[in-house]
Amino acid sequence: QKEVEQNSGPLSVPEGAIASLNCTYSDRGSQSFFWYRQYSGKSPELIMFIYSNGDKEDGRFTAQLNKASQYVSLLIRDSQPSDSATYLCAVRNRDDKIIFGKGTRLHILP
Amino acid sequence: DTEVTQTPKHLVMGMTNKKSLKCEQHMGHRAMYWYKQKAKKPPELMFVYSYEKLSINESVPSRFSPECPNSSLLNLHLHALQPEDSALYLCASSQFGLAGASNTGELFFGEGSRLTVL
Repeated sequence: QKEVEQNSGPLSVPEGAIASLNCTYSDRGSQSFFWYRQYSGKSPELIMFIYSNGDKEDGRFTAQLNKASQYVSLLIRDSQPSDSATYLCAVRNRDDKIIFGKGTRLHILP
Repeated sequence: DTEVTQTPKHLVMGMTNKKSLKCEQHMGHRAMYWYKQKAKKPPELMFVYSYEKLSINESVPSRFSPECPNSSLLNLHLHALQPEDSALYLCASSQFGLAGASNTGELFFGEGSRLTVL
């Protein structure tokens, strides 16, 4: 089992709709959870981080964490074409290593 | 704007060359990281320096040699690389050192150095 798993997509969402991205992780001792956005040929950009169970909102983005289910998600409301990118889920595990999932390609349809 | 600066942005080298990648941050961050990313793959952790000491080495071949001269600088020395080492090399920093009491582990990435080995 891979340490951080994501559906590679592509996930196609109409403009203005809600995009839902999911991630599961294997290490129950994981401490912190991150969502990065990466445009083609660019470096990852931090979107959200979360380390407590529940929801965390920042503008159009909401991160959700369920440690019991070892599940992290990212919701993007009012999706815009500029949101089209690869979204990387990352987890800081009990060894203090930050491990990335393979990413989900998101395509917002105009 | 990223506050982690990487140079050079692009590097082409032969298999017998010796070159270095450089990374600098002036945010007072105490942990610095090297990741390697190949096309359509996630970043893979290579090294972590915490408080200027090498804390994590993910069994990286010795042809990659990291160096942390001070808390703001991180180098990656390259020697006798192979064509399969061609990739985007990403430097990142985080505010606290590893196992810090307040470490949420957010990484701030530089723009990367794109390496091509011929």
